[in-house]
Amino acid sequence: SAVISQKPSRDICQRGTSLTIQCQVDSQVTMMFWYRQQPGQSLTLIATANQGSEATYESGFVIDKFPISRPNLTFSTLTVSNMSPEDSSIYLCSVDMTGGNTEAFFGQGTRLTVV
Amino acid sequence: GESVGLHLPTLSVQEGDNSIINCAYSNSASDYFIWYKQESGKGPQFIIDIRSNMDKRQGQRVTVLLNKTVKHLSLQIAATQPGDSAVYFCAENNYGQNFVFGPGTRLSVLP
Repeated sequence: SAVISQKPSRDICQRGTSLTIQCQVDSQVTMMFWYRQQPGQSLTLIATANQGSEATYESGFVIDKFPISRPNLTFSTLTVSNMSPEDSSIYLCSVDMTGGNTEAFFGQGTRLTVV
Repeated sequence: GESVGLHLPTLSVQEGDNSIINCAYSNSASDYFIWYKQESGKGPQFIIDIRSNMDKRQGQRVTVLLNKTVKHLSLQIAATQPGDSAVYFCAENNYGQNFVFGPGTRLSVLP
């Protein structure tokens, strides 16, 4: 299993600003994922972050808006840039220990409100 | 606490009754499925999983059924308790690709 810590747990931000969310895992993992969960919605994958390479973004998400860092095997950050109220969501970090063959573990999420 | 899904489909059951939550998945090639439970203010938590070579798997008070013919997954919770109140998501995985999540169902347990 894996224990995942996300910071901050919540924030209220002004539109036009940027917020960086941190994800720390208690063990080394190859694959880390960032999801967005909009109000009343399910989880949507933003990107996959692998150490030593650029993140792979899903359709509808771009690096300029959601830059991701993955400096080592236990840590990643997601930045939400130039925020608008439409970016108000829960952002979740997830790790996969075995490449999709077993459960993915999730952090508690970061609840972002943009005003 | 915060509400994760304000507009999700809701299933209301009496405490002590059995609950059945359904999910239609999208990819016939998916080979691994998970049910997650998400409580307010928390990330999704693993409940039970099943691989495509099985059609039923049981855990403690929970059973997952897989019907590959119609791409349908269900979660059965026996003797539903107030602590089972949450949003439930199914997730599918295709040979090590990322998980794709279903729309979610809010389970409300009535006293």
